[in-house]
This record gives sequence, C-alpha cells and structure tokens, in this order.
Amino acid sequence: DAKTTQPNSMESNEEEPVHLPCNHSTISGTDYIHWYRQLPSQGPEYVIHGLTSNVNNRMASLAIAEDRKSSTLILHRATLRDAAVYYCILRAYNNNDMRFGAGTRLTVKP
Amino acid sequence: DVKVTQSSRYLVKRTGEKVFLECVQDMDHENMFWYRQDPGLGLRLIYFSYDVKMKEKGDIPEGYSVSREKKERFSLILESASTNQTSMYLCASSSGAGGKRGEQYFGPGTRLTVT
Repeated sequence: DAKTTQPNSMESNEEEPVHLPCNHSTISGTDYIHWYRQLPSQGPEYVIHGLTSNVNNRMASLAIAEDRKSSTLILHRATLRDAAVYYCILRAYNNNDMRFGAGTRLTVKP
Repeated sequence: DVKVTQSSRYLVKRTGEKVFLECVQDMDHENMFWYRQDPGLGLRLIYFSYDVKMKEKGDIPEGYSVSREKKERFSLILESASTNQTSMYLCASSSGAGGKRGEQYFGPGTRLTVT
C-alpha cells in the first residue's frame, strides 16, 4: 500500500488558517486521498477526500499537487474545537479498507 | 445520521479470558472494520468484512477473530486475552458504493484493559 508522511504535530492560533501537509510520493493513479480527524476521546470522523482536483466542503479544503505526490488540508479559520489528530490516508479505487498512520496532532492556541 | 455503537466504553478482563467486543451499525452498510489504537502507533486495522459471513485479515489479525452473522453486527473476539491486547478498539462501517465510497463512520471506541 502506498504510504503517507505527515508531521507529528503542528500549532496554530485561533481564527487563523491552518495548512496541514501530507506527502504521498508513491501514490498510484487510482488512489483517492482521504482526510480524517480524531477529536479527543472520540472515534475518527471523515473530513474530506479527493482524487485529482481541489475539493471544498463545509469543514475544510483539500489542495492536491499537480503530480499528486502531496496534498494539503486547509482549515480556513481554526477554532479551539479543531484541535485534533488529523490523518491523511490513501485508498485504492477498488478498495474500501484504509490504513491510518500516526497523523498530525494539531494544537490550536487561543 | 449514521450511528455506530459499541457494546462497552470500558472493559476490564483477566489474562486468558475470552472477550467479545460487539459493534452495531444502523445504516445498512456493507463494510465493517475493527481497528486498535495505541499511543504513537495510530490506528491499525485488525479485520474487516465486506459482507455477511465474509472476513478479511487486516495488518494485525494475530490473536483475534471476527464474526459477522448479520449485516448490521460485527464482533471482534479475543480467544485468550493477553496483556499486550490492552488497547482502544474502534469499530467502523462504510457503504460499498457511491460518491462517498470509503467514507468510514466510527463508533466511540472500547477501552479494553487486560490484567
């Protein structure tokens, strides 16, 4: 399975944008890029996913590099409730299972 | 809203006991998953199932088995619990098709302690 690399931790100030990077240099042409987050004492929750084009939803934006070897999850205005571990995961087109890594722990400072 | 429930939030068992962790989802999802989560290791996939009575090994199936007799229920079984199986166990489900294919919905987790 193609692997992702994320920083262990990041810090952000409240109400500022946050850019969470993910490297996936061995991604294959049919791998989807998924992002999940896990709030304290909860199970992970879906944030966003994409294939080639940038994607936006109510939670975040996903910017995918042209060569697809990296992507960035963008939280436009961080709040204290966005403090969580963020996971970047690759999912093969014809698979439903995914492999979570250690993720990035985001701390949001007031 | 999709709901994934797990039978217990906290469980304490003794070494050698047989342990059943139950997971139920109410969205008629085809796929169900069991993960364990340990500090510094993230989530690791134990087993998953694409359909009733079907199962596939994940990355760390040793010491575990699963059962899926009904579509909505997926059980994780520790045949003889050991202390290295002390962990947080998370169940998830997903639909097998559609635009959000692969979006997994997680339960709240069961923190299992084996003494």
